[in-house]
Parts: sequence; structure tokens; C-alpha cells
Amino acid sequence: AQSVTQLGSHVSVSEGALVLLRCNYSSSVPPYLFWYVQYPNQGLQLLLKYTSAATLVKGINGFEAEFKKSETSFHLTKPSAHMSDAAEYFCAVSRGSSNTGKLIFGQGTTLQVKP
Amino acid sequence: DTGVSQDPRHKITKRGQNVTFRCDPISEHNRLYWYRQTLGQGPEFLTYFQNEAQLEKSRLLSDRFSAERPKGSFSTLEIQRTEQGDSAMYLCASSLVSLSGETQYFGPGTRLLVL
Repeated sequence: AQSVTQLGSHVSVSEGALVLLRCNYSSSVPPYLFWYVQYPNQGLQLLLKYTSAATLVKGINGFEAEFKKSETSFHLTKPSAHMSDAAEYFCAVSRGSSNTGKLIFGQGTTLQVKP
Repeated sequence: DTGVSQDPRHKITKRGQNVTFRCDPISEHNRLYWYRQTLGQGPEFLTYFQNEAQLEKSRLLSDRFSAERPKGSFSTLEIQRTEQGDSAMYLCASSLVSLSGETQYFGPGTRLLVL
């Protein structure tokens, strides 16, 4: 069975500081991995996805994530936090298009950005 | 706007009443997913359609829940005899499955409150 664990339900950084949101996955097949962002009372917006093409994935709004198979991790980073980055972030895993594409989500990490 | 749309955005109902939600996917997307998200949690998979065929249902989807996608376009999710535990955000997502994989795009969600 696939699963995702997000370490840290709340992360607080100062504006301009590095953002690091942690995600570890468990999968018996090569996974597809995603990061989504959710602003209050809104749906989820795709930040980036890993589909085995490249281990370092660049997304929107300056975010990127690195797939590390040996560590079963897919951590999300951004060099310099902006106030508008404050939101809920979700890591998700799926089996890909060869099977059901349903996403298994982590519990989420709330990012707070302090001025 | 060519994104996923959901209607209504908010629904308040009394316990025991029936409610129906609608999802309009991105045009030509062949897969449509329903998820449920409770406060402070990540979305949980409920069911999905490939065109008009419902291919998988989660154990979370009790007999009181039914979903349809009659012509392979929009979808409805009905909850009969609502219970307070049904209070949640119901999210719809759509995707186009191709050889390069699949990416789910989410709608804004329908927030249900059962009194």
C-alpha cells in the first residue's frame, strides 16, 4: 500500500528565509509524487510533480523538490519565502496512469511566513 | 475560465436531508475524481470515473453516497440521509490520462455543513 508522511504539521519561517517542507513516501511500485498548495477555503493547486523524468523538479512560484529514492523522500524547498507563500501544503503519491491514478495525500503542513 | 468548477460552493443542511453536488471537469478530461477533506486533514479519495464508467469506490463511500457521470462529462455526488459526520469539503478533480502520465486539477470544492 502507498502512503505519505509529512514531517511537521506547522512550519514557521521569516520572510526571505529558506523554506523546507518534508515529505517521505512508501510505495511498492515506482511512484508518481506531487506537491499541492491550498489557500484558505480554496481547492488544491498543483505546485510540481515527479514522474521519473528527472530527480530535481522545478515548479511554480520558485518552488522545487528533489526525489531521493534511497531516502524515500520528496522534500519541497524554496530559497526565499514570500508572505504570499503562507498556505497549507500537501504531498501526494499515486501509482501513475498504468493503474488507478487516485492520490494518497499526507496530513499537510501549514506554512507561516513572518514579516 | 476553463478550470474545474463545482456547485454549490457552500451547503448547509439539516441532518437527515439529501444533498447533491455537481462537478464540471476541464473539457475533454477523461477522468474525474471525488475526494473528501475534513478540517486539518489531507483529502481522502472517494471514487473516480474513466469517462462514464465508475471504476473504483473507497470504503469511505457508504451506501448513502452515490456518484454518477452519465455522459462522461459532468458528475454529481449525492449524499442521502446526511449525518453530522458528513460535514467536510468535497473536492472534485479531473485529468487527461496519456502516455506521459496524469495530473489531477482540482476544483474549488463544496463545503458541506450538516446541522
